[in-house]
This record gives sequence, structure tokens and C-alpha cells, in this order.
Amino acid sequence: QVQLVQSGAEVKKPGASVKVSCKASGYTFNYDLHWVRQASGQGLEWVGWMNPDSGNTGYAQKFQGRVTITRDTSISTAYVEVSSLRSEDTAVYYCATGPSGYDSHFEDWGQGTLVTVSS
Amino acid sequence: SYELSQPVSVSVAPGQTARLTCGQNDIGSKNVHWFQQKPGQAPVLVIYRDSSRPSGIPERFSGSNSGNTATLTISRAQVEDEADYYCQVWASSTAVVFGGGTKLTVL
Repeated sequence: QVQLVQSGAEVKKPGASVKVSCKASGYTFNYDLHWVRQASGQGLEWVGWMNPDSGNTGYAQKFQGRVTITRDTSISTAYVEVSSLRSEDTAVYYCATGPSGYDSHFEDWGQGTLVTVSS
Repeated sequence: SYELSQPVSVSVAPGQTARLTCGQNDIGSKNVHWFQQKPGQAPVLVIYRDSSRPSGIPERFSGSNSGNTATLTISRAQVEDEADYYCQVWASSTAVVFGGGTKLTVL
């Protein structure tokens, strides 16, 4: 079955960058891969997506220029990097996957990675 | 910006029917997906494309979507259904949007 395993928790200072990984298994690494974040006690917020085959990406408008999604197909792993971190970026970051394409749904989720931004 | 409106909380007695709504002008023209999230856990897909149920999701979960409102219905609600529920759509070909979430209490 599909499994997404994320890297461990991170603590970063304001202004730094963080890179979270998501290793996929149980399927051919070609479905769209999305990143969603959730601040403590808050709702879900879509960050962006990538198609591992083509490398095409898309980002929520508020994250454009500050978030980069990449992948290493040789190890079936996707990454999200957030730069110029601020306290408001403190959240659990999830990767999720499902059928590719517009209007798709997120069938499988990683366990989440807590990113804490604190001086 | 495109927003989805969900009630903050809904309460239902065990065995009764819970109806959770997700509102936006002409949401009936879009495919709506629903997620359940329990404390400390990742979200779980419970309904996709308005009314389809993934394998492993109990039949008491159903969905509908028409006009300006999409609805997740939980029939014969159980204590284990207590969770936060989020609706989600693609606002455009390049933007995914989640509703603010509804906390369902079963007591």
C-alpha cells in the first residue's frame, strides 16, 4: 500500500531555511505530490504541489517566492523548502498524494513534520 | 480570494444524523472532497468527488453537492466519529482551498 514517510521535527531561527522530506513507497512515484501545513489549533492550508515525473510545480500565491518543492526520483523522495522563516511558519507540514491532475483528491498522507521557528 | 465556509462546530447525539456543510457560491459546479482529522493525526479522506467513498470508510459517511452548499452526512453517528472535518476544492487549476473546518462533537 501507499506509504509516505516524512523527516523528523525541526527547530529553526527566524530568517533561516528548512527542508522537509517525504519518502514514497508502495507505488510508482509518479502521482502528484502536495504539501499542506497546519498551525497549532488551526485549519489546513495548501502550500503547493509537484508532479514527480515532469517536475512541474505549483504554489499557493502567498508562498510563491519563498517555498520550493523538489524531488529526487532515484529515491522516490519529495522535498519542500521554506526560506526566510518567520514565527508564522511554525506548523506541522504534511505531504499528501493521490490521482494526478486538476481536481484530484488526496488519498494518502504522510505522518507530518513539526517545524518550529523560534529565536 | 476563494473561501469555503464551514460552521465552527456541530453537535449530535450518538445514533443520530450529523450534517456538516461547506458553502461557496456555485460550489455545486466543483468537485468537493472531505477529510476527517482526529487530534494528533494526519487527515483522512472520507469522501471524494462530492459523494464517492474510499475503501475502508464506513457506509454511514455520505456526501452531496448542489447549488451553493456541499454536505457531508454522517448517519448513525458514533463516538469515534468525533473529529474535525474539512472540505476541499480546487479553486482553479492552480489553487487548492480548504474550508476552515468543523469540529464534530458526538455526545
